[in-house]
Amino acid sequence: EPEVTQTPSHQVTQMGQEVILRCVPISNHLYFYWYRQILGQKVEFLVSFYNNEISEKSEIFDDQFSVERPDGSNFTLKIRSTKLEDSAMYFCASRLTGSNQPQHFGDGTRLSIL
Amino acid sequence: KQEVTQIPAALSVPEGENLVLNCSFTDSAIYNLQWFRQDPGKGLTSLLLIQSSQREQTSGRLNASLDKSSGRSTLYIAASQPGDSATYLCAVPVGGGATNKLIFGTGTLLAVQP
Repeated sequence: EPEVTQTPSHQVTQMGQEVILRCVPISNHLYFYWYRQILGQKVEFLVSFYNNEISEKSEIFDDQFSVERPDGSNFTLKIRSTKLEDSAMYFCASRLTGSNQPQHFGDGTRLSIL
Repeated sequence: KQEVTQIPAALSVPEGENLVLNCSFTDSAIYNLQWFRQDPGKGLTSLLLIQSSQREQTSGRLNASLDKSSGRSTLYIAASQPGDSATYLCAVPVGGGATNKLIFGTGTLLAVQP
């Protein structure tokens, strides 16, 4: 069964450094998402992406965050200057066309900011 | 604004017991509801998606029900096993169209004792 894959599984970065989290969505999916989960808290929506542009972003997704689909397969989340509070598990998801379609999640990247 | 809550927050049962997890949402205008399983430090595994037009959806020992009018869904697990121990999350999509971001509950941490 096709899967969403995320790399790396764990990223440790110094505060203030840039970090790029990578995702390969399921190949025929057109809608892409990033979520994050701070330890012990709810999974929170960050951003949705369709047709090569952001369709919605949350308040969390400020100017330090950006997303890109650099080619036909990868979907990346960049944090320009990381802060301690960016430490979290970051999940990528994708889905087919249709509001009734499920979102399929990757295994996540655990981001630790020191 | 859609809010999703889950009770109980934690549940411990002996192996073999049938159990029910609850999920409530404040806005009944939903397309569907997804149940996920999350193992410690791991990603989100989709268990069931129940469409707004459905009242029940079954997969093996799992049965999800949906009552849109009352804003409730339940996940029934039959004959629980230690391998069912995990956190169970429910989520509803909001926004529609190119967004359909998921709003998650806080989860129920299930421990099945052998």
